[in-house]
Parts: sequence; structure tokens; C-alpha cells
Amino acid sequence: SQKIEQNSEALNIQEGKTATLTCNYTNYSPAYLQWYRQDPGRGPVFLLLIRENEKEKRKERLKVTFDTTLKQSLFHITASQPADSATYLCALPGGATNKLIFGTGTLLAVQP
Amino acid sequence: KAGVTQTPRYLIKTRGQQVTLSCSPISGHRSVSWYQQTPGQGLQFLFEYFSETQRNKGNFPGRFSGRQFSNSRSEMNVSTLELGDSALYLCASSRGRGGEQFFGPGTRLTVL
Repeated sequence: SQKIEQNSEALNIQEGKTATLTCNYTNYSPAYLQWYRQDPGRGPVFLLLIRENEKEKRKERLKVTFDTTLKQSLFHITASQPADSATYLCALPGGATNKLIFGTGTLLAVQP
Repeated sequence: KAGVTQTPRYLIKTRGQQVTLSCSPISGHRSVSWYQQTPGQGLQFLFEYFSETQRNKGNFPGRFSGRQFSNSRSEMNVSTLELGDSALYLCASSRGRGGEQFFGPGTRLTVL
């Protein structure tokens, strides 16, 4: 069955450094992959979508890579700030509809 | 543009009762998906509705049901509540297929 794994432990980094989060998947060949941010008690917020034919995508301080051979996506936040502290979720399509399969999420804590 | 709204935000029920949650998507969005989020299982897909038709269903028992109205508003119902149904129920809307999804703030259901 399809499986998505993210860093299970929290990631603690210093303000100003680059945070790198990992999303690995198995038994799957997704057409695209999405990243969301979720703050405590709130719904996820869409950040980026990268398609299978795209190697890299950027949006302001965010960068996502997608390696379909390694079955892995990396999510980078450069010049991180305490306001970036949140749980980051990767999600893959669960078929031809809008069903998304989410990873367990990585909790990022940026220390001032 | 108003975001996705969910009502109620908080709900406390007892075992055996039933509950109905409501979701109003962003204007113009015809797809509404529902997810259950728990600390142990993470975000899990319940079902998706598009133009009043259920387009996909997750692996949940028949006690979980939903519907969509002609104005795209959606409701989900859980009958014969169990303690394990305590969770954050999230609804997400999207315009078409395969793009970003916009999540509401969720309904926090507690079953006692």
C-alpha cells in the first residue's frame, strides 16, 4: 500500500539557518506532490505544489525539490524565522479525484 | 474572498449520539473533501463531494456519511459516536481537480 514518511522527530534550528524537511514515499508514482503548513488548532495551509516533471520549485524563501527516482521530496526554508515554527505536511494525490494522502508531518521549531 | 467556514467549531457529545458538521466552501469551489485528524493517525481522508455526488470515499465505517447541496455546502454526519471518533474534522474545498486545497479551521469533536 502507499506509504508516506516524514521526519518523525521535531526539527530544531536557529533563526537565520536553512531548514530542510524530508518526505519519502513508497509504492507510488504520484503526478504531483504538495506541501502544507499547519499551526496548532488550525487547518493546513497550502504552500507549494510540484509536478513530477519539475525538479525544483521556489516561492519566496521556500524551495521544494522532487526526485521521482529516489521517491523523495525535500522542502527548504531559507533564512528561517521563529514565525516559521509549525508542522509541515507533505501530501500526495490519492487517485484521480481530490483525495490527498498526508504524511505524519514534521514539527519545525525555529529558535530566536 | 471569504475562506472555508466550518460550524460548529467545538462540539462535545456522548457515546451513542450522532453529530452533524457543516462546511461552506469558498465561493465558486465545487469540490469539498472531509478529513479526520487525530494525534495517532494524522490526517485521514473521509470522502469528497463534487457537484452533489460523492466522488471518493476513505476507509471509514458506514457510520460516517456526508452529502453536498446544490450551493456546494457540505455536511458530514457521524452516527452512534464512539470515543475514538474524538478528533479534529477538517473540510477542504478546491476549484477543480488536482490543485491546491483550502482548508477550514476545523470542528473539534470530543466524545465522552
